[in-house]
Amino acid sequence: EVQLVESGGDLVQPGGSLRLSCAASGFPFNTYWMSWVRQAPGKGLEWVANINQDGSEKHYVDSVRGRFTISRDNAKTSLYLQMNSLRAEDMAMYFCARDHRAPGIFFESWGQGALVTVSP
Amino acid sequence: EIVLTQSPGTLSLSPGERATLSCRASHSVSNNYLGWYQQKPGQAPRLLIYGASNRATGIPDRFSGSGSGTDFTLTISRLEPEDFAVFYCQQYDTSSITFGQGTRLDIK
Repeated sequence: EVQLVESGGDLVQPGGSLRLSCAASGFPFNTYWMSWVRQAPGKGLEWVANINQDGSEKHYVDSVRGRFTISRDNAKTSLYLQMNSLRAEDMAMYFCARDHRAPGIFFESWGQGALVTVSP
Repeated sequence: EIVLTQSPGTLSLSPGERATLSCRASHSVSNNYLGWYQQKPGQAPRLLIYGASNRATGIPDRFSGSGSGTDFTLTISRLEPEDFAVFYCQQYDTSSITFGQGTRLDIK
């Protein structure tokens, strides 16, 4: 059974930093693209970043580029999101998501999310 | 960046009825890289449809997707009580991924 378990969500002040982790199990982690998707309270879904199988290719939404860094450790079957210079608008539930095998990028499996609160 | 606009914002229907949800793209979605998700309160989204018309694993056949280019549709042929939720479309275009704003499907 595919399992994605996020951790690291917390209350942080504007300008602060936070690192999210996603522990993956139940599938060959090193063969899938992985992503972070966020959802602000009461709002819709927003893709944040993704990373290819060996970590050599990464993409970001414009609003986080230069502030957030996605990474992975295939030996530990874990995905990470380092978030720096956090802003109020970054406050959201952050989901770890695994890609589908089909051409294109679709999110077949999701974790339950880690809540990031940005407030003074 | 491709902007996805979903309509209607809210759809109120009764169990047994047919639901038709629309997703319109600001530019053509290449290779029909368009997916649909269902999200219930307090839960993560669930992939329903990928590649515009392919059902994901375990998705009942009352869910179907169609369309190409800039206009896509998710149809639920006969609504079951568990189908009521928020639905999102999503596209992939060479390293850019965007979602629509969502359609809320309510019980009438």
